[in-house]
Amino acid sequence: KAGVTQTPRYLIKTRGQQVTLSCSPISGHRSVSWYQQTPGQGLQFLFEYFSETQRNKGNFPGRFSGRQFSNSRSEMNVSTLELGDSALYLCASRPGDRYYGYTFGSGTRLTVV
Amino acid sequence: ELKVEQNPLFLSMQEGKNYTIYCNYSTTSDRLYWYRQDPGKSLESLFVLLSNGAVKQEGRLMASLDTKARLSTLHITAAVHDLSATYFCAVENTGNQFYFGTGTSLTVIP
Repeated sequence: KAGVTQTPRYLIKTRGQQVTLSCSPISGHRSVSWYQQTPGQGLQFLFEYFSETQRNKGNFPGRFSGRQFSNSRSEMNVSTLELGDSALYLCASRPGDRYYGYTFGSGTRLTVV
Repeated sequence: ELKVEQNPLFLSMQEGKNYTIYCNYSTTSDRLYWYRQDPGKSLESLFVLLSNGAVKQEGRLMASLDTKARLSTLHITAAVHDLSATYFCAVENTGNQFYFGTGTSLTVIP
């Protein structure tokens, strides 16, 4: 069965621009989470959505936002990009039951120049 | 905030040897996960540990969880080159948030 699909795989943006990343979870999965991975900070939680509701948000500025659609697909948006936003952004999904771990997508590599 | 510490950060071991990676965490949780990441790739789920005393094994890897000690271990038996990767543990809080360890970069030398 298809895994978690993230698009695009790579992005290069200029400081001050905004970007939207997309995530299609595994079919039937209702919980979607986003993580940022950088060499300096490691893996950090951004937010988690379940049935179109944001249930939890990590310690990131308001420039980072997201949403989930009725088909469980999710997007995250970063506005006014900064150089420090360069990272691998990972989306993960699971059925919604906390007895399952998350399955991660391949990620979107964002480079801000 | 939940803190997760992994050690060692770097591990270089010879093929055929055994070793253990440790994952300590600061707050009570009974949900711990192990992931593997190859360079430039995403995270691959290895183990899901959901109760005190849980032990899971897959091939040359075995993971265990001691919730009272707030400790999980990932034991590698008779390492082979294919196991070279970065291994992460992650602890889940009640808010469905995963807190990841810093990762252990494992290199298996022939």
